[in-house]
Amino acid sequence: GAGVSQSPRYKVTKRGQDVALRCDPISGHVSLYWYRQALGQGPEFLTYFNYEAQQDKSGLPNDRFSAERPEGSISTLTIQRTEQRDSAMYRCASSLGFGLPGNTQYFGPGTRLTVL
Amino acid sequence: QKEVEQNSGPLSVPEGAIASLNCTYSDRGSQSFFWYRQYSGKSPELIMFIYSNGDKEDGRFTAQLNKASQYVSLLIRDSQPSDSATYLCACGGSNYKLTFGKGTLLTVNP
Repeated sequence: GAGVSQSPRYKVTKRGQDVALRCDPISGHVSLYWYRQALGQGPEFLTYFNYEAQQDKSGLPNDRFSAERPEGSISTLTIQRTEQRDSAMYRCASSLGFGLPGNTQYFGPGTRLTVL
Repeated sequence: QKEVEQNSGPLSVPEGAIASLNCTYSDRGSQSFFWYRQYSGKSPELIMFIYSNGDKEDGRFTAQLNKASQYVSLLIRDSQPSDSATYLCACGGSNYKLTFGKGTLLTVNP
């Protein structure tokens, strides 16, 4: 079946602009996760949802970052007033959310964000 | 601060050899452990998960978990050039989020 999809795959924006990154999880997956991955590093947790509820947003760097998943499926990560330090690969993952282990996560292709 | 430590490598092995990748974690509450493979420029791809002490085998891959030592490893038997990639170790607790290591770059030489 279809895997996790993300759009856009590449986003170039100017400093100060807002950007919205979209994630469409695997069908039937309850849990959805956002990560940020810098070059040469592992993915760094940002936030995650069970259904439409945001369970943990402890990894969001500051209040310019927010995420939503209003209908428990597609999620949007929004970065307001982008800064150059926000440039990174943003990855989305989803998992069934139950079973052992319910947190087996499958990653999408990522969105490469470049802030000029 | 929950940490997952991996040797960054590169780890270089000849084709057909066994590659051994190691990972230690700091959070004793971790319950599930994952190995992902990431080719350059691609997204992480799940190889295996393990949550019980001992060994788990899947084809050429064997994951080993020792919770007392807070140690996870991945063995790749009969290594192939196509196994050349960065291998990410990840640990998860009851809250389902994963903490990743920085990854170990493996190069398999023909």
